[in-house]
Amino acid sequence: GAVVSQHPSWVICKSGTSVKIECRSLDFQATTMFWYRQFPKQSLMLMATSNEGSKATYEQGVEKDKFLINHASLTLSTLTVTSAHPEDSSFYICSARDVASSYNEQFFGPGTRLTVL
Amino acid sequence: GQNIDQPTEMTATEGAIVQINCTYQTSGFNGLFWYQQHAGEAPTFLSYNVLDGLEEKGRFSSFLSRSKGYSYLLLKELQMKDSASYLCAFMDSNYQLIWGAGTKLIIKP
Repeated sequence: GAVVSQHPSWVICKSGTSVKIECRSLDFQATTMFWYRQFPKQSLMLMATSNEGSKATYEQGVEKDKFLINHASLTLSTLTVTSAHPEDSSFYICSARDVASSYNEQFFGPGTRLTVL
Repeated sequence: GQNIDQPTEMTATEGAIVQINCTYQTSGFNGLFWYQQHAGEAPTFLSYNVLDGLEEKGRFSSFLSRSKGYSYLLLKELQMKDSASYLCAFMDSNYQLIWGAGTKLIIKP
């Protein structure tokens, strides 16, 4: 099946710093990638939809200036959490849609656990 | 509008059968997915239904009724490793997944 990688797997940073998370589709091209955030014991919350070569579409309540998304190629999307604060500590998960699949399904990366001190 | 609902938590016994229900409302529908998520890990794909009926895949089966806006995931011969959260999600007319809050399944020996 299709594989999506995420890097780093976990990161600890000081308040006020910026953190970049990479999401890569390893064996397929993904014109669309999704970024989710999940707080403990809660469901996935879609943050934004990232389309290759165009600006990301952010969900209501997600600050586009704080969560910068770049989808520069068909296999790579990045999420940068700018000026991170403790309340940004969460599990960030990306997924990529394989348009060649029968189901148009999304394949998930393993997630990045961010802890802001 | 759109919404999706599933029970928050269920408990079952090892070796038994459990059915997790999911109801949804949407004007545009492109299929319903079930994912399994172990604590601290990303979701993994279990099943996809776009037509009415039952899809069987080993110990797991998924059912869909589009007219009723209803799906269920059936897990047979439960094993301890099946303890996880089970997420249902439908794909809307924009091919975006709308997620349920997840059902935490607790398996007891």
